Amino acid sequence: AQSVAQPEDQVNVAEGNPLTVKCTYSVSGNPYLFWYVQYPNRGLQFLLKYITGDNLVKGSYGFEAEFNKSQTSFHLKKPSALVSDSALYFCAVRDMDTGRRALTFGSGTRLQVQP
Amino acid sequence: NAGVTQTPKFQVLKTGQSMTLQCAQDMNHNSMYWYRQDPGMGLRLIYYSASEGTTDKGEVPNGYNVSRLNKREFSLRLESAAPSQTSVYFCASSEMGGPGETQYFGPGTRLLVL
Repeated sequence: AQSVAQPEDQVNVAEGNPLTVKCTYSVSGNPYLFWYVQYPNRGLQFLLKYITGDNLVKGSYGFEAEFNKSQTSFHLKKPSALVSDSALYFCAVRDMDTGRRALTFGSGTRLQVQP
Repeated sequence: NAGVTQTPKFQVLKTGQSMTLQCAQDMNHNSMYWYRQDPGMGLRLIYYSASEGTTDKGEVPNGYNVSRLNKREFSLRLESAAPSQTSVYFCASSEMGGPGETQYFGPGTRLLVL
């Protein structure tokens, strides 16, 4: 079975400071990993994904994430937070070896960036 | 290019009523998905359609039916709504349904069952 854990319900950070939103995963094979962001009353927007290759993945709006196979983690990072980054962030995983079609999502982390 | 669109945006139903949630995409994608989002639980897959003419159950299919009407449209039907189906429903699509593909989401339908 595949699963995702986002251990923090909420992350608070001051504008201009670096931010990290944590994600760990469990799959039986090799993972495809995704980050999505959800603004209030909106659908999910794709931020970035890890498929293969370089462990550091760069995505939209200045976000990046680092795949760490030994720690089974895929933390989302940004060097300098903006108030407009305040939203709900979801990590998702898909096991590339099982052919299972569903993305498994974490429960979400609310990011609050204070001015 | 509207992407993935969903109607209605919001609906209130009484227990036992039926309704159909509509989803359409204009990206010429082959695969489409229906998810539900509940507080503290992330999104869970209800049904998906790998290609036109095919549908398969996801994690939480009970109480729902789907129709892949054509390549563009994928509808979700609640035959007899229950309060447990109060949720936000998202439709998504991807090009071929491959495991590494990005899924693109619609804006959601907020459903309240009384």
